[in-house]
Amino acid sequence: DVKVTQSSRYLVKRTGEKVFLECVQDMDHENMFWYRQDPGLGLRLIYFSYDVKMKEKGDIPEGYSVSREKKERFSLILESASTNQTSMYLCASSGNRRNSGNTIYFGEGSWLTVV
Amino acid sequence: AQSVTQLGSHVSVSEGALVLLRCNYSSSVPPYLFWYVQYPNQGLQLLLKYTTGATLVKGINGFEAEFKKSETSFHLTKPSAHMSDAAEYFCAVSRGNNDMRFGAGTRLTVKP
Repeated sequence: DVKVTQSSRYLVKRTGEKVFLECVQDMDHENMFWYRQDPGLGLRLIYFSYDVKMKEKGDIPEGYSVSREKKERFSLILESASTNQTSMYLCASSGNRRNSGNTIYFGEGSWLTVV
Repeated sequence: AQSVTQLGSHVSVSEGALVLLRCNYSSSVPPYLFWYVQYPNQGLQLLLKYTTGATLVKGINGFEAEFKKSETSFHLTKPSAHMSDAAEYFCAVSRGNNDMRFGAGTRLTVKP
């Protein structure tokens, strides 16, 4: 089974702090994603990466950055956390089977509270 | 660009009753369609997906969905609800690349 592991399930950070959310997948997937989930808004894509050191902005990249130095690891960085970034963050990965509907596999989620 | 609309943010059914969760999509190309389930405090788990071929897709836990191109729909059904089905369900559409779009989700409550 595919396993996507997010290092922290619950975090509480102060406004202005730099926050790192780490994600590791064990299926040698090319693609990795960071979403945030908010009630009534579903999942919104923050950033994704289709290869090591490559990244693409999603729908809501403002206030976030990412890092992918190794294929299995994708980090989400909040340079200066703000209260409106309090949310559930979901990491995901998928392989590159073209034209076959790439299933995205999700981690358990990281609940971030910014106070 | 593709998008997904899930009709009804909350659906409540009695145990043993039919479950119907509605999903309509828009896509400029033939879509790939997915249903995911999220149990409390967990990530999303794939229930089923449609890529090509048979339009009636069977998934895990007795769920199935039918792709209806003429109606641009991909509704999720289960003949008989179980208490363990209580969760949030997300419909998603993709063009087969990395651009997957999710609906806002439908929370299913199952009453005893």
